[in-house]
Amino acid sequence: QKEVEQNSGPLSVPEGAIASLNCTYSDRGSQSFFWYRQYSGKSPELIMFIYSNGDKEDGRFTAQLNKASQYVSLLIRDSQPSDSATYLCAGGYTGANSKLTFGKGITLSVRP
Amino acid sequence: NAGVTQTPKFQVLKTGQSMTLQCAQDMNHNSMYWYRQDPGMGLRLIYYSASEGTTDKGEVPNGYNVSRLNKREFSLRLESAAPSQTSVYFCASSELRGRPYNEQFFGPGTRLTVL
Repeated sequence: QKEVEQNSGPLSVPEGAIASLNCTYSDRGSQSFFWYRQYSGKSPELIMFIYSNGDKEDGRFTAQLNKASQYVSLLIRDSQPSDSATYLCAGGYTGANSKLTFGKGITLSVRP
Repeated sequence: NAGVTQTPKFQVLKTGQSMTLQCAQDMNHNSMYWYRQDPGMGLRLIYYSASEGTTDKGEVPNGYNVSRLNKREFSLRLESAAPSQTSVYFCASSELRGRPYNEQFFGPGTRLTVL
């Protein structure tokens, strides 16, 4: 059973702080990983993807992948109230029959 | 581009009724997916279609059927709705070939209540 686990939430940080969201996965063969943001009542939207070990930065967001330890993380710098949402971690293979396995999500609240 | 569209946005059914959820994408993607999302459960895959003419079961297929009508459209049918199928249903699509990752794009969702 392939599993993606996200640390229990909710997570609350003050505005301007760094929010750290973590995710572990059980399938060592997983090749690509995604962070989706989902606002209440809306559909998931992709904010970051990573498939190589190390860090990947995009604006205030940094995704980190450590395949040896089987974890993925998302750092949000200078957190804003607009970052308040549920963040879903997903992992999967590439290829024609590829599927993603999603974690249950973690809710982030950024306090003004 | 509209991206991924879903109809209807909301639906209330009585136990035992049937209905079809429609999904269409205009991004020329090969792969399409149906998920359900329940509180505290994340997204769970119901069925997916890697390409036109093929469909496969996901994690929670019982009580559902799908049809990949053409490359653009992928429908989900509930033959005899049950209260346990009350959920938010999302359709997604992705393009895998020639890419090192399979980003999925989601539709706006259908909120289904079965009484």
